[in-house]
Amino acid sequence: NAGVTQTPKFQVLKTGQSMTLQCAQDMNHNSMYWYRQDPGMGLRLIYYSASEGTTDKGEVPNGYNVSRLNKREFSLRLESAAPSQTSVYFCASSGKGLANTGELFFGEGSRLTVL
Amino acid sequence: DAKTTQPPSMDCAEGRAANLPCNHSTISGNEYVYWYRQIHSQGPQYIIHGLKNNETNEMASLIITEDRKSSTLILPHATLRDTAVYYCIVRVLNTGFQKLVFGTGTRLLVSP
Repeated sequence: NAGVTQTPKFQVLKTGQSMTLQCAQDMNHNSMYWYRQDPGMGLRLIYYSASEGTTDKGEVPNGYNVSRLNKREFSLRLESAAPSQTSVYFCASSGKGLANTGELFFGEGSRLTVL
Repeated sequence: DAKTTQPPSMDCAEGRAANLPCNHSTISGNEYVYWYRQIHSQGPQYIIHGLKNNETNEMASLIITEDRKSSTLILPHATLRDTAVYYCIVRVLNTGFQKLVFGTGTRLLVSP
């Protein structure tokens, strides 16, 4: 089982460049999330998609855009990268159903450095 | 969501029980206590959750006080692989969308 897959795992950008982080889940989950984690800090929610076709801002949305391409895929785009966006980015998903515990399933993370 | 307070770090000897406390004195009646852990730089991993009864699964036990203002995660026989940051989160349970807010957690170091 792949679970939640993120690409790329590592990326170095120059200030002002753009890039898209890709996330896909194979668990038929309705909800997907993007978090960032800075050194020594907890995770902060950037954007989320409660269900296919909807997206909403989290705690720290500035400088990012998202697209819920379909039920499986949720991408995060940096239009003009800044050094303050150097971080580890985690994608997560959660399901729905009688057995659902409210558990979030996380990907392995994408490590982004902006020079 | 109710705020949680955890010690920043704890140590535990391998093979001993690790007891990780969490204070959530402002918890509401419909809020659950969730525990996640993050090993090194991996994505967080769900451990357990509970409302008011004690819960146990293959990974850990969760003890919630009767007034629900605090809880303890117990790893009964800690191993070196349990070294991680442990997050206590209080949240209303939604059966689908679940917006969790992570604090800085407790860094548990298990030593030989």
